Amino acid sequence: DIQMTQSPSSVSASVGDRVTITCRASQGISSWLAWYQQKPGKVPELLIYAASSLQSGVPSRFSGSGSGTDFTLTISSLQPEDFATYYCQQGNSFPRTFGGGTKVEIK
Amino acid sequence: QVQLVESGGGVVQPGGSLRLSCVASGFTFSNYGMHWVRQAPGKGLEWVAFLRYDGSNKYYADSVKGRFTISRDNSKNTLYLQMNSLRAEDTAVYYCAKDFWSRYFDCWGQGTLVTVSS
Repeated sequence: DIQMTQSPSSVSASVGDRVTITCRASQGISSWLAWYQQKPGKVPELLIYAASSLQSGVPSRFSGSGSGTDFTLTISSLQPEDFATYYCQQGNSFPRTFGGGTKVEIK
Repeated sequence: QVQLVESGGGVVQPGGSLRLSCVASGFTFSNYGMHWVRQAPGKGLEWVAFLRYDGSNKYYADSVKGRFTISRDNSKNTLYLQMNSLRAEDTAVYYCAKDFWSRYFDCWGQGTLVTVSS
């Protein structure tokens, strides 16, 4: 199985900050990676797929990059509604696996 | 718009069984693979199972293989998860999710809570 490791597990940031979250796969997954946002008590939402493609309706301050084993989610200017937990997920093979999550908290 | 509505959760004793259902609307259900994903209280996301649009291929997480069975009835726009030999560690909110690009999940239901406890 492919293990997905996210870092950091949590980050404190202020509105307007640039935030970067990293996800590493235990083996190469090409660009078959997605990022999800989950707010407390809410359902996960797809933000980014294929490592860098923005899902319809997602603000352009979110961007993704990377290929192979190392990936990054960047929020260019953090907004109040972005405080949430973010998960990466590999779509390269079954079983599908998620990273452990990164909680973005208010500083 | 796409809507997924799960039901069937509840409290069950260890070793017991439950069947979850997910009714889909707003898209052509028979054209899409479907997944179950779960989230234990306060924990992260764990993929559980996948079923191809036509029911021809199924995949399971090792943690549920041999105990859970995913199925669908395209005539009823409904996805199922039969859960047998339940364990305390199966306690979670169970989401059904629509497959996207044959690799991701683009729409999720609100989830149904399964609690395994004596």
